Amino acid sequence: KAGVTQTPRYLIKTRGQQVTLSCSPISGHRSVSWYQQTPGQGLQFLFEYFSETQRNKGNFPGRFSGRQFSNSRSEMNVSTLELGDSALYLCASSLQGQGSNTEAFFGQGTRLTVV
Amino acid sequence: AQTVTQSQPEMSVQEAETVTLSCTYDTSENNYYLFWYKQPPSRQMILVIRQEAYKQQNATENRFSVNFQKAAKSFSLKISDSQLGDTAMYFCAFMTRNSGYALNFGKGTSLLVTP
Repeated sequence: KAGVTQTPRYLIKTRGQQVTLSCSPISGHRSVSWYQQTPGQGLQFLFEYFSETQRNKGNFPGRFSGRQFSNSRSEMNVSTLELGDSALYLCASSLQGQGSNTEAFFGQGTRLTVV
Repeated sequence: AQTVTQSQPEMSVQEAETVTLSCTYDTSENNYYLFWYKQPPSRQMILVIRQEAYKQQNATENRFSVNFQKAAKSFSLKISDSQLGDTAMYFCAFMTRNSGYALNFGKGTSLLVTP
C-alpha cells in the first residue's frame, strides 16, 4: 500500500511569509503527527491530530498550526516565517497513535528554507 | 523532563562486523514504548525495532537486536553482519502515555559502514 506522502518536497520562502505543508497518511491511519528536524534542536514534536481533532501539542509558538480533514489528510501552517523555521518537517501516520497501535510511519519530509 | 541521550555522535564499522549503538533515557513513567529509527540520506525515517517497556524479552528483528535494561534506563541497538546499506543516522526514541504518545527523540548517531 502507498506510504505517507508529503508535499511539496522542497520549499523556499521569504521571511514574514506564510507556508502550508501537506501530509497524506497511509490509508486507514487516523493519527497524523508532525515533527520539526533541525541540526541544532534535532527532532521535535509539533502536534498530533486524530479524527480531525488536535489531540496533542508540542512546545512551539502559535505561528505553527495545523488541521486534519475528514479523509485524515493533514496540513501544517506556519505564519510570519522566521529564519529559524528553516528545517525538515516530517509527518508520521499511525493507526491510532496510542497504546499498542503506536507504530509511526514517516513521510520523506518537506525541506523548508526561509531566506 | 523526559530525555533521550545518545552519547555517540558518530560511529564507524566494517562490513560484516557487529556494532552497538547506545541510548539512555529518563522518564518517571512505568509504561512506555522504545524505538530505534533509521534515517538514510533519503531522509525518510524508517522504524528498525520497537520494544514495549513491560516486556522483559529483548526485541529482535533479523540482524537488529536490542539490549533493554529497564532499571538502568538503557536501550542499546546491536547491528550484526553490518551491510553498506546500514549507513544512516540512527535515532533512539520513546513515547509515554503522559506525553500524549509523542515521540521523544535523541540527537542521533551517524553510522558509517565501510567496505
